[in-house]
Amino acid sequence: EPEVTQTPSHQVTQMGQEVILRCVPISNHLYFYWYRQILGQKVEFLVSFYNNEISEKSEIFDDQFSVERPDGSNFTLKIRSTKLEDSAMYFCASRGNSPLHFGNGTRLTVT
Amino acid sequence: GESVGLHLPTLSVQEGDNSIINCAYSNSASDYFIWYKQESGKGPQFIIDIRSNMDKRQGQRVTVLLNKTVKHLSLQIAATQPGDSAVYFCAENMEYGNKLVFGAGTILRVKS
Repeated sequence: EPEVTQTPSHQVTQMGQEVILRCVPISNHLYFYWYRQILGQKVEFLVSFYNNEISEKSEIFDDQFSVERPDGSNFTLKIRSTKLEDSAMYFCASRGNSPLHFGNGTRLTVT
Repeated sequence: GESVGLHLPTLSVQEGDNSIINCAYSNSASDYFIWYKQESGKGPQFIIDIRSNMDKRQGQRVTVLLNKTVKHLSLQIAATQPGDSAVYFCAENMEYGNKLVFGAGTILRVKS
């Protein structure tokens, strides 16, 4: 069964550094998403992306965040200057005419 | 504003018993609901979904019930197994909308 893949599985960075989280959505999907989950809490919506542009974003997704689909297969989330409170699991998801499929996440630790 | 919440944060059941996980939602405009299972270290995994024009949908060992009158969703797992131990999230959406809103999650522990 096709799946959403995310790399790296764990990223450790220092406060103020830039990080790029990478995702390969399921190949025939057209809608892409990033969610995050702070340890022990619920999954929170960050941003949705369709037709090469952001279709919706949450208040969490401020100017420090950006997304890009640089080619036909990758979908990235960039955090420009990380803060301690950005530490969380970040999940990429995609869908076609189907329920949302999630990757296994990248654990971001900001020190 | 929108919110989806769960009544019971932790549910412990004996192996072989049936489990019922509950969820309340507040956005009456939501017309599509999904249950996800999340195992430790993994992303949410789709279990079953239901549209608002239905009040019950069955899958393999799982049933989702939707009560739109009281804005309540439940997930029933028959003959619960140790492999069912996980965190279960309900989520709501406008069908084919851009944003899935998750509830707080219920931990299901299955005792052997």
